[in-house]
Amino acid sequence: AQSVTQPDIHITVSEGASLELRCNYSYGATPYLFWYVQSPGQGLQLLLKYFSGDTLVQGIKGFEAEFKRSQSSFNLRKPSVHWSDAAEYFCAVGPGGYNKLIFGAGTRLAVHP
Amino acid sequence: DAGVIQSPRHEVTEMGQEVTLRCKPISGHNSLFWYRQTMMRGLELLIYFNNNVPIDDSGMPEDRFSAKMPNASFSTLKIQPSEPRDSAVYFCASSQAGGPNEQFFGPGTRLTVL
Repeated sequence: AQSVTQPDIHITVSEGASLELRCNYSYGATPYLFWYVQSPGQGLQLLLKYFSGDTLVQGIKGFEAEFKRSQSSFNLRKPSVHWSDAAEYFCAVGPGGYNKLIFGAGTRLAVHP
Repeated sequence: DAGVIQSPRHEVTEMGQEVTLRCKPISGHNSLFWYRQTMMRGLELLIYFNNNVPIDDSGMPEDRFSAKMPNASFSTLKIQPSEPRDSAVYFCASSQAGGPNEQFFGPGTRLTVL
């Protein structure tokens, strides 16, 4: 069955520190992978996506993610976190038919000044 | 582009009342998704449509929930009668068919059932 696991429910980092959010997936075919961010009181916004090609993808707000097929992972990284990055981050895999996505449970990021 | 539009943004109602949530997808998008988000259960897919036709409603929790998409630019999610456990944030998302393509989310409707 298709599934997405985000092992970390909460992560706290200091402003300026580096960040890595983990995502592991289970998918029978070549996956299409997404990271979304949800700020408090907002909808989900796409950070980046991987469909094919270069396994290191760049997204908005200085984020990047690397697809590692051998590890079934798509971890999100940022070299230096800003206080405004505090939010919830969701990893998703697809597509199901009609672009249906399977979402992970999310990782809530707190940033200390 | 205005993005996905949802209304109302906030809804407070009493148990037993009918609630209707509305969504306008991005023009040209063929797929529409309704989600529910709670602290306990996270983000749940309720139902999705393609070209206005419901494809999978297996995520709809009970018969009290129904969704329609009468045309390409409008969808509703109705709860009748509402119960306190329906309190949640409901999101609508749309996507362009012929994928793979990402889903674009609306701002959500925060529903509180007293």
